[in-house]
Amino acid sequence: KAGVTQTPRYLIKTRGQQVTLSCSPISGHRSVSWYQQTPGQGLQFLFEYFSETQRNKGNFPGRFSGRQFSNSRSEMNVSTLELGDSALYLCASSLVSHPNTGELFFGEGSRLTVL
Amino acid sequence: GEDVEQSLFLSVREGDSSVINCTYTDSSSTYLYWYKQEPGAGLQLLTYIFSNMDMKQDQRLTVLLNKKDKHLSLRIADTQTGDSAIYFCAEVLAAGNKLTFGGGTRVLVKP
Repeated sequence: KAGVTQTPRYLIKTRGQQVTLSCSPISGHRSVSWYQQTPGQGLQFLFEYFSETQRNKGNFPGRFSGRQFSNSRSEMNVSTLELGDSALYLCASSLVSHPNTGELFFGEGSRLTVL
Repeated sequence: GEDVEQSLFLSVREGDSSVINCTYTDSSSTYLYWYKQEPGAGLQLLTYIFSNMDMKQDQRLTVLLNKKDKHLSLRIADTQTGDSAIYFCAEVLAAGNKLTFGGGTRVLVKP
């Protein structure tokens, strides 16, 4: 059974550009959530999608957005990139959502560097 | 409020047991998790426990949950050098599978 797949694994952008990251959850999983990991702030929740609907959103500016497709694959987009957006972006998938979350698996992440 | 705390560092000798501790403040947690992160990698799910359980054992891993004290621990038996990594505890308590993570405990296993 394939795990959570994130693409691209590494990317470099310049300030002002925008980026789209992709996440394919484990087959059958309907919940996809996104996290940002930085040395200074640790792991922070961005948002979660379940059956194509955003169920919760973290404290990030509107430049961060996402969506989920009917096959449960998800994308997140960051527009007008800033240096502080450099981070490891992690995607997690689970069969269902809170309060019956159960196993919650993460992908290897997309490492974004903004120059 | 949401606040998960862990000690920063743990050093242990190969073959000994490791115990990583975590405290949380929100008693409405449903599931609590332990993840392992190796350099340059994502988060590997080690184990998780539902909030109505006190203990869960899975091979070398034992999770203890003390709801009264809001304390979670992970015991690794017969620690190996491959167990050297950062370990994160996390709780989910809000809609949208929102995990709140601790800052991570770096475990160093010495031969």
